[in-house]
Amino acid sequence: KNEVEQSPQNLTAQEGEFITINCSYSVGISALHWLQQHPGGGIVSLFMLSSGKKKHGRLIATINIQEKHSSLHITASHPRDSAVYICAVHPRGTSYGKLTFGQGTILTVHP
Amino acid sequence: NAGVTQTPKFRVLKTGQSMTLLCAQDMNHEYMYWYRQDPGMGLRLIHYSVGEGTTAKGEVPDGYNVSRLKKQNFLLGLESAAPSQTSVYFCASYRGGGMPLHFGNGTRLTVT
Repeated sequence: KNEVEQSPQNLTAQEGEFITINCSYSVGISALHWLQQHPGGGIVSLFMLSSGKKKHGRLIATINIQEKHSSLHITASHPRDSAVYICAVHPRGTSYGKLTFGQGTILTVHP
Repeated sequence: NAGVTQTPKFRVLKTGQSMTLLCAQDMNHEYMYWYRQDPGMGLRLIHYSVGEGTTAKGEVPDGYNVSRLKKQNFLLGLESAAPSQTSVYFCASYRGGGMPLHFGNGTRLTVT
């Protein structure tokens, strides 16, 4: 079993829909990252979380340390949001050295 | 401020050849990482460094070596390339704390 599991693996939505991507992890962590990768493109950091909630534009990320779970929400989705969204964690005790990734969620937003 | 720069962007090698990928960052970050990305496998950590002069093995280190002689550079070496090393390689750097990860644009390597 992977240390970091994302769901769903694939997600299709219509423009304007509210989207949720989930990340569950099985180890204690010191931080969690949400990343975005467009097809054929580079990887961009969206959020870094160690507790609570962060918001940037239409994107909201939350984390529940006790339940070992994080969610990424996209409000009023748009075709340009189509990308792979990746969750990554720093296991506790590795001093940000190690970074373990989920498999990614492929999001397609249709106009 | 260039961020994280990877060179080269593309490379084709024959089995048994060697090469070095360079990752350079100008943000004075302590942590640097090398990953490979393969279809259906996601990103996998090859090696990482927590500071100048340090390196450590990640999830898939076999067939690769790394060095971090200068804080700003993290080199990934393939001594004898194999077709199984055909992949897209990403470098990243990280300051730590509540800061974002910074990724390079990737190197597409094909080993024939």
